Amino acid sequence: DIQMTQSPSSLSASVGDRVTITCRASQAIKNYLAWYQQKPGKVPKLLIYAASTLHSGVPSRFSGSESGTDFTLTINSLQPEDVGTYYCQNYNNVPLAFGQGTKVEIK
Amino acid sequence: EVQLVQSGAEVKKPGESLKISCKGSGYSFTTYWIGWVRQMPGRGLEWVAIIYPGDSDTRYSLPFQGQVTISADKSITTAYLQWSSLKASDTAMYYCVKVDYGAISGAFDVWGQGTMVIVSS
Repeated sequence: DIQMTQSPSSLSASVGDRVTITCRASQAIKNYLAWYQQKPGKVPKLLIYAASTLHSGVPSRFSGSESGTDFTLTINSLQPEDVGTYYCQNYNNVPLAFGQGTKVEIK
Repeated sequence: EVQLVQSGAEVKKPGESLKISCKGSGYSFTTYWIGWVRQMPGRGLEWVAIIYPGDSDTRYSLPFQGQVTISADKSITTAYLQWSSLKASDTAMYYCVKVDYGAISGAFDVWGQGTMVIVSS
């Protein structure tokens, strides 16, 4: 099975900072990688699919990129409403595994 | 508007059976995969199972194989997740999800509101 290793597990940054979260797949998954945001106490939401395509309605400060089996979620200019946990997910094939999550807080 | 509306919270005893539901609307229910994601208290997201309502093709995550059953009734555009004998470790929030595109290889673009399942003696 493909394993998704996400890092860091948590981070604290100031409003306006650029934040980067990384997800590494244990084998090639093409660009079948999604990012989700879960705000505290809320339902997860799709942010990015196909590694770098923003889902409808997602602010442009979010972006995704890929390099082989390494994937990156970037938040340019962190905002207070971005606090929450972010998950990557492989959907190339079953099992449709999620990463462990990255908790983002405001310093 | 595409929506997934899940059944309400459940409190059950160990050993009891349970079936939770997820009603899809606003899209062609039979042509998109629909699945379930578990989130235990304070923990991350885990994919459980997925079904194609058009022909009831199913896939399970290995840890959940034999522990739960996913099904769908396309006549009422509803998917289900059921347990025959609950354990305390089944206590979690369960989210219903719709897969984008018409293939299994798609992101989860729509999420239900979640069904909290509590198993306690």
